[in-house]
Amino acid sequence: AQRVTQPEKLLSVFKGAPVELKCNYSYSGSPELFWYVQYSRQRLQLLLRHISRESIKGFTADLNKGETSFHLKKPFAQEEDSAMYYCALLTGGGNKLTFGTGTQLKVEL
Amino acid sequence: DTAVSQTPKYLVTQMGNDKSIKCEQNLGHDTMYWYKQDSKKFLKIMFSYNNKELIINETVPNRFSPKSPDKAHLNLHINSLELGDSAVYFCASSQTGTVDEQFFGPGTRLTVL
Repeated sequence: AQRVTQPEKLLSVFKGAPVELKCNYSYSGSPELFWYVQYSRQRLQLLLRHISRESIKGFTADLNKGETSFHLKKPFAQEEDSAMYYCALLTGGGNKLTFGTGTQLKVEL
Repeated sequence: DTAVSQTPKYLVTQMGNDKSIKCEQNLGHDTMYWYKQDSKKFLKIMFSYNNKELIINETVPNRFSPKSPDKAHLNLHINSLELGDSAVYFCASSQTGTVDEQFFGPGTRLTVL
């Protein structure tokens, strides 16, 4: 069965420091991975997807099939990055998103 | 012109009651979902409908019954509410056949007393 693991429940960094939110997955098929973000009092929204290989708001994530990881990184954290971040794996023929338990990122001044 | 909307935003009710949450999307998507976010912020899929047909039904008590009158709407009816049903329920939609994002509604915070 598919599984997504985010080992850190809370990550606290100072403004300007690098950020890395960890995500590991377990899936027998070819993974489609996403990072979703939930800012305070806002709805969950897509941050980035691995197939696009894009950088959104300074964040990047590289799929490492050997390590079954999809860590989210940003070189310099900003205060507005404070939010809940979810790693998600798409399966079920493209219909089922399995979410990790989420990591609360807190960027301190 | 909100993409995915849910009503109500907050729902406070007594144990044993029956309640419904409504969801509508105006994105023209053919697939809709219900997710439950518990007090620890853990987000888990409950149901998924594609063109009004149930395609994903996770291990959810049968007190929960989704209904899709058309592909733009997916409602969630909950019978005999229990304390453990207290959570935030999110509706979402996407377009099948594309590795595309799911668009989420604002959530409905259900509190069972």
